[in-house]
Amino acid sequence: DQQVKQNSPSLSVQEGRISILNCDYTNSMFDYFLWYKKYPAEGPTFLISISSIKDKNEDGRFTVFLNKSAKHLSLHIVPSQPGDSAVYFCAASAFGNQFYFGTGTSLTVIP
Amino acid sequence: DAGVIQSPRHEVTEMGQEVTLRCKPISGHDYLFWYRQTMMRGLELLIYFNNNVPIDDSGMPEDRFSAKMPNASFSTLKIQPSEPRDSAVYFCASSPATWTVSGATNEKLFFGSGTQLSVL
Repeated sequence: DQQVKQNSPSLSVQEGRISILNCDYTNSMFDYFLWYKKYPAEGPTFLISISSIKDKNEDGRFTVFLNKSAKHLSLHIVPSQPGDSAVYFCAASAFGNQFYFGTGTSLTVIP
Repeated sequence: DAGVIQSPRHEVTEMGQEVTLRCKPISGHDYLFWYRQTMMRGLELLIYFNNNVPIDDSGMPEDRFSAKMPNASFSTLKIQPSEPRDSAVYFCASSPATWTVSGATNEKLFFGSGTQLSVL
């Protein structure tokens, strides 16, 4: 009964190329979405977020797209850098009460 | 601010023993969350507090798990008795109080470094 799903456990991309990480959710009440980045032996750190009133939010090399009709969001990293290699978690909340996380996607950027 | 502080970083114990994980949230944050990270379920919410009061503990897997927040600067997650399937990384996170509904909220969780628990 995972409400937030990341179906790709891992992704490898060449340095300089685009990385696209995907996330699907089932609860139509979710109104706020976030991406977190996690390095080994560290806690997740906030990367970027998007409200359900928007369909795109950009911050430097990172862009999050939200498709509410498909209940799908994606994180684009352009250009990808070796330092981006980490586990990325997608998260969602409804009215800010709880955050539901996906299982994570491990991104490897190959130099 | 030092961020969310968790202790210990690593805990190795034997099955049946009591385990206590500790968390100090960021000062001024009114929400505190306990998460467990596993390969199968990712980051799984166990329980969260608002102003030291437990709001939702539906994620606590069994009665063996309990959590307390005696004051605004300290919380514990206890497992008694521990079992090998409890082995995971446990994260504490805190967040400030202001939430909006479908607005331009920019609130987020701030995580600690986690406690790696191994139950043998």
